[in-house]
Amino acid sequence: DVVMTQTPVSLSLAIGQPASISCKSSQSLLGTSGKTFLNWILQRPGQSPKRLIYQVSKLYSEVPDRFSGSGSETEFTLKISRVEAEDLGVYYCWQGTHFPLTFGSGTKLEIK
Amino acid sequence: EVQLVESGGGLVKPGSSLKLSCVASGFTFSSYGMHWIRQAPKKGLEWIALIYYDSSNKYYADSVKGRFTISRDNSKNTLYLEMNSLRSEDTAMYYCAKSPLAYWGQGTLVTVSS
Repeated sequence: DVVMTQTPVSLSLAIGQPASISCKSSQSLLGTSGKTFLNWILQRPGQSPKRLIYQVSKLYSEVPDRFSGSGSETEFTLKISRVEAEDLGVYYCWQGTHFPLTFGSGTKLEIK
Repeated sequence: EVQLVESGGGLVKPGSSLKLSCVASGFTFSSYGMHWIRQAPKKGLEWIALIYYDSSNKYYADSVKGRFTISRDNSKNTLYLEMNSLRSEDTAMYYCAKSPLAYWGQGTLVTVSS
């Protein structure tokens, strides 16, 4: 199985500060289709996960543009340009290139 | 608006069975693959099963293979997860999700305990 390693485990940031979360995979996530199925989701406290980014860098329509994703092969990054209060929660990367689908262990973002 | 509503969770004893349902609305259910993902208390996410839009293919995590069965009824816009030989380690919130995990339900809690 592809192991997804996220760092840091937690972040404590003030409103307006930037955030960066790393996600590394144990195998390349570049698929035979030429697409890289690395995605990000956010689970707010007490809620089910919500979509954020798909195929490394594509934002879903409702996601604010302060979020961005980058990376390739085995190393990926989620960035928030300026953290807002609603961004708190646990961020997970997950890969859909190889079965079984696997998730990172999560990065908890707390607001100072 | 896409909605996914799970049901069927509860408290059961080890070795018993349970069947979860997920009713979908707001999209053409018969056109999308559907997943089950679970989250043990205070833990991360674990993908457990996928079924193609037409039930032609099904995939399972090793942890549930042979015990759990994913199925769907496109005429009822409903996804199912039949769980047999339940173990304490199956205790979790179970979510259904529309491919590619773009929408999630609110989850249904399964507790396996004697």
